[in-house]
Amino acid sequence: EAGVAQSPRYKIIEKRQSVAFWCNPISGHATLYWYQQILGQGPKLLIQFQNNGVVDDSQLPKDRFSAERLKGVDSTLKIQPAKLEDSAVYLCASSLRTGGAPNTEAFFGQGTRLTVV
Amino acid sequence: GIQVEQSPPDLILQEGANSTLRCNFSDSVNNLQWFHQNPWGQLINLFYIPSGTKQNGRLSATTVATERYSLLYISSSQTTDSGVYFCAAANTPLVFGKGTRLSVIA
Repeated sequence: EAGVAQSPRYKIIEKRQSVAFWCNPISGHATLYWYQQILGQGPKLLIQFQNNGVVDDSQLPKDRFSAERLKGVDSTLKIQPAKLEDSAVYLCASSLRTGGAPNTEAFFGQGTRLTVV
Repeated sequence: GIQVEQSPPDLILQEGANSTLRCNFSDSVNNLQWFHQNPWGQLINLFYIPSGTKQNGRLSATTVATERYSLLYISSSQTTDSGVYFCAAANTPLVFGKGTRLSVIA
């Protein structure tokens, strides 16, 4: 079974530039998450989708971050304009969870390491 | 929201030693997972264990949901066990602790 795929693996941009990350979840997984992990900290949720609807985006800095999950499969996360403090690893995860079912196991991609200079 | 605390924050072991990592969570949850983050940043699933005990080789985990804690046991540690271990708990979505950084020295 293929895992969660993310690209690119690494990205270096200058502040005020824009950047986009792509995620392809495990086939059949209804729930998709984007997490931000700053060096030395645990991952922090940015946004959660169920199918193509947003479940939780309360911690997404909406003035500069946006995310979409068209057709309930692939997802993209965009930052525009980037700031120095956005330097982090961006992790995508997916799980089977559907509807009102209890949480099921989440699986993570390899992440995209973003450096803003 | 739910709070997740892990201890100890750092742990240094001699190869072959055993260790116990602890995860406390502030509310009842229906999902608890343990991950190992390798030096390349990949989060590797170790256990999905909202309650009970599971074992996988040298690793085992126990979650006591009524007392809101989980333990990860590593026996006969190897240098390849080094890295950061995260506990994550949820009703939805996963909330991570700050991790335990384990260094196993030969």
